[in-house]
Amino acid sequence: NAGVTQTPKFQVLKTGQSMTLQCAQDMNHNSMYWYRQDPGMGLRLIYYSASEGTTDKGEVPNGYNVSRLNKREFSLRLESAAPSQTSVYFCASSGGRGVVNTGELFFGEGSRLTVL
Amino acid sequence: AQSVTQLGSHVSVSEGALVLLRCNYSSSVPPYLFWYVQYPNQGLQLLLKYTSAATLVKGINGFEAEFKKSETSFHLTKPSAHMSDAAEYFCAVTYNYGQNFVFGPGTRLSVLP
Repeated sequence: NAGVTQTPKFQVLKTGQSMTLQCAQDMNHNSMYWYRQDPGMGLRLIYYSASEGTTDKGEVPNGYNVSRLNKREFSLRLESAAPSQTSVYFCASSGGRGVVNTGELFFGEGSRLTVL
Repeated sequence: AQSVTQLGSHVSVSEGALVLLRCNYSSSVPPYLFWYVQYPNQGLQLLLKYTSAATLVKGINGFEAEFKKSETSFHLTKPSAHMSDAAEYFCAVTYNYGQNFVFGPGTRLSVLP
């Protein structure tokens, strides 16, 4: 009963390095999301995928790319990391059977990224 | 654009006291409204949600929230705080399930013995 699984949980990068955050859900959800959490700013949406094969920009997409690999997996890539991308990243999913969506977001435990 | 405000970034209450965490949204069209809780070093989990049924919504752990359209508010309450309620609480709205959820900045609740 894993729910939403994110890897890695912690990562330290140097400015300019690249990395990919992986996310997988086992609830057969249609929609998946990547958020970043910064103190005093709540969660801000980076990208989301309403269904397999589609992705859309959220509030803060600059410097990120995403791939909805299949219905289960949604990855977030930083091509050239910057100190401003130091944050905690959360993957989430939502959706019930078929296209019915209960509206609840299910979150992973987060990935803490530090860019030096 | 949708926005959510939470009055008070940090609220402290004594154990056994009333908890009141405020949330206001900016829209003339009632959205779907949610409260999430985040314990240290964990992801967010749903406390309760309003989806246009009863205006008073009961959630887990004794929390409830009341939707007031005239005030565009969805404040979270609990009659008697417990030490285990210490966490960060986020109000969120969406107008389209499966699309953009907008989160407030969060309120950190401390419970004093």
